[in-house]
Amino acid sequence: KAGVTQTPRYLIKTRGQQVTLSCSPISGHRSVSWYQQTPGQGLQFLFEYFSETQRNKGNFPGRFSGRQFSNSRSEMNVSTLELGDSALYLCASSPPGRGENNEQFFGPGTRLTVL
Amino acid sequence: GENVEQHPSTLSVQEGDSAVIKCTYSDSASNYFPWYKQELGKGPQLIIDIRSNVGEKKDQRIAVTLNKTAKHFSLHITETQPEDSAVYFCAASKGYIPTFGRGTSLIVHP
Repeated sequence: KAGVTQTPRYLIKTRGQQVTLSCSPISGHRSVSWYQQTPGQGLQFLFEYFSETQRNKGNFPGRFSGRQFSNSRSEMNVSTLELGDSALYLCASSPPGRGENNEQFFGPGTRLTVL
Repeated sequence: GENVEQHPSTLSVQEGDSAVIKCTYSDSASNYFPWYKQELGKGPQLIIDIRSNVGEKKDQRIAVTLNKTAKHFSLHITETQPEDSAVYFCAASKGYIPTFGRGTSLIVHP
């Protein structure tokens, strides 16, 4: 079974631009979560989608948004990029069943650098 | 909100030694505690998890213990090998939102 895939793997943008990152979950997984990982703040939860609906949201400004498609693939968008948005953005998918607190399978991440 | 403290930030051991990483959490409602291993250039990989109705769980060389009263949980790796070298993260989860510790860089010297 293929793992979680994320595209692109690396991205360089300048301040003020916007960016869209893509995540394809493991086949059959319907929950997709996004995280930001930085040396200063560690791993922080951005949001979680299930069946095309945002089910949970972390404490990030509205510049960070996402969506999920009917095939469970997900995208996240960051508008008006700031230098502090430079980070590794990770996507994770969870298998169905078991209610809350399903185990999560992470992708390799997208390394975003904002200049 | 939930706060997770993880110690130590760096752990250096000799091959064959045991390694212990400890985490404390603040929210007594947290009920799911996964541990992840992250190698350079890769995403975190779940290595073991424990739920609040269990005190200990073991999987070959890896074990996790949970003390709900004291709100702390620990990862134990026995007979460490060089390929165990990585950054390890603990997390405490309530519902679908996990809060992660800051990570422990484990270095296993051959």
